[in-house]
Amino acid sequence: GQSLEQPSEVTAVEGAIVQINCTYQTSGFYGLSWYQQHDGGAPTFLSYNALDGLEETGRFSSFLSRSDSYGYLLLQELQMKDSASYFCAVRDDGGYQKVTFGTGTKLQVIP
Amino acid sequence: DAGVTQSPTHLIKTRGQQVTLRCSPKSGHDTVSWYQQALGQGPQFIFQYYEEEERQRGNFPDRFSGHQFPNYSSELNVNALLLGDSALYLCASSLGQGQNEQYFGPGTRLTVT
Repeated sequence: GQSLEQPSEVTAVEGAIVQINCTYQTSGFYGLSWYQQHDGGAPTFLSYNALDGLEETGRFSSFLSRSDSYGYLLLQELQMKDSASYFCAVRDDGGYQKVTFGTGTKLQVIP
Repeated sequence: DAGVTQSPTHLIKTRGQQVTLRCSPKSGHDTVSWYQQALGQGPQFIFQYYEEEERQRGNFPDRFSGHQFPNYSSELNVNALLLGDSALYLCASSLGQGQNEQYFGPGTRLTVT
């Protein structure tokens, strides 16, 4: 099966940069996705990495190293509204329809 | 452009009862996946529907069943409710089965007493 590990909580200052790490164990790999979820809200897709390297989308960037089974989400110029939970996710190797989510990282942005 | 909608928003049921949750996918999407999210946890995949058939299933018992209609909307049914079924049930839609970008609905908060 799949397993993904993330830090449970991260605190960062408004305007700063924060990195949220994700390590995964899979027997097959179809890429790493990131989702944001505010308290009481629905998960929102942020990014997807299929190949090694950095993908940038505005203030958010996502990195993947397939050889290390590791990825991270980088949030720059943090804003208070970035306070949310962030999940990494992989598609199942036994059937690509199933998506397994990590345990989630709760980011708190402080003034 | 309507996003993913789910109904009801909240639901309270008693152990042993049955519940049906509903989902309408984002306009143009044909695939619906259901997830269960316990408090403080990541979403857990229940199953996915495409072309009105269940395509893959997560580690959930047969008490969890579903359906997809010709208009791509979907239902999740849970029989013989247990206290442990209390969770947020999320529906996600996409165009095609293997898409990495899924659009989630606001969820149905189910409480079993």
